[in-house]
Amino acid sequence: DAGITQSPRHKVTETGTPVTLRCHQTENHRYMYWYRQDPGHGLRLIHYSYGVKDTDKGEVSDGYSVSRSKTEDFLLTLESATSSQTSVYFCAISGRGTSGDAAGEQYFGPGTRLTVT
Amino acid sequence: GQNIDQPTEMTATEGAIVQINCTYQTSGFNGLFWYQQHAGEAPTFLSYNVLDGLEEKGRFSSFLSRSKGYSYLLLKELQMKDSASYLCAVKISGYALNFGKGTSLLVTP
Repeated sequence: DAGITQSPRHKVTETGTPVTLRCHQTENHRYMYWYRQDPGHGLRLIHYSYGVKDTDKGEVSDGYSVSRSKTEDFLLTLESATSSQTSVYFCAISGRGTSGDAAGEQYFGPGTRLTVT
Repeated sequence: GQNIDQPTEMTATEGAIVQINCTYQTSGFNGLFWYQQHAGEAPTFLSYNVLDGLEEKGRFSSFLSRSKGYSYLLLKELQMKDSASYLCAVKISGYALNFGKGTSLLVTP
């Protein structure tokens, strides 16, 4: 299994507070991703990174920002949490895949369950 | 927009074979992935198809037809531990995956 951890694993916070979730990998993979998973919606991409300091927006990026200052860490920040951001957040990583393409299959971290009250 | 469709739920019997279908209409295609996700856990990678045809991995096989925008995951000799959600995902551009909503499979004795 890919070495990927997320912290915290669970968090309860109040509306309007800032929240930062951390994803850490030991695989030296170039690509990192943040998804949220909600009932009825499946996994949706928030932001992704294709290298240190190189990031881009995904499908549901409003209200979220990211930073990647080193290969192993990818941070997701909710500047002012809202109840609609209550969700399970998954980080994923990918490197050169089995087919040889640069960003192959993705491996997921254990997830962070965030509740905004 | 991107459209990836899977059945919401399926039920099958232990020892049987089940086929989970996925159809897609997307603006691009760079491969199709299947993931398994047990309740409360992270998705785990099962298979990858980029060319038409069947890929076999033990009890699991995945098929792709790019002209039809269609894939299926075939699970043989079902076991109780196969009860999980199965996620179909399409890589539309270079990096990111677009996921379907998943198929919840219940295996009964």
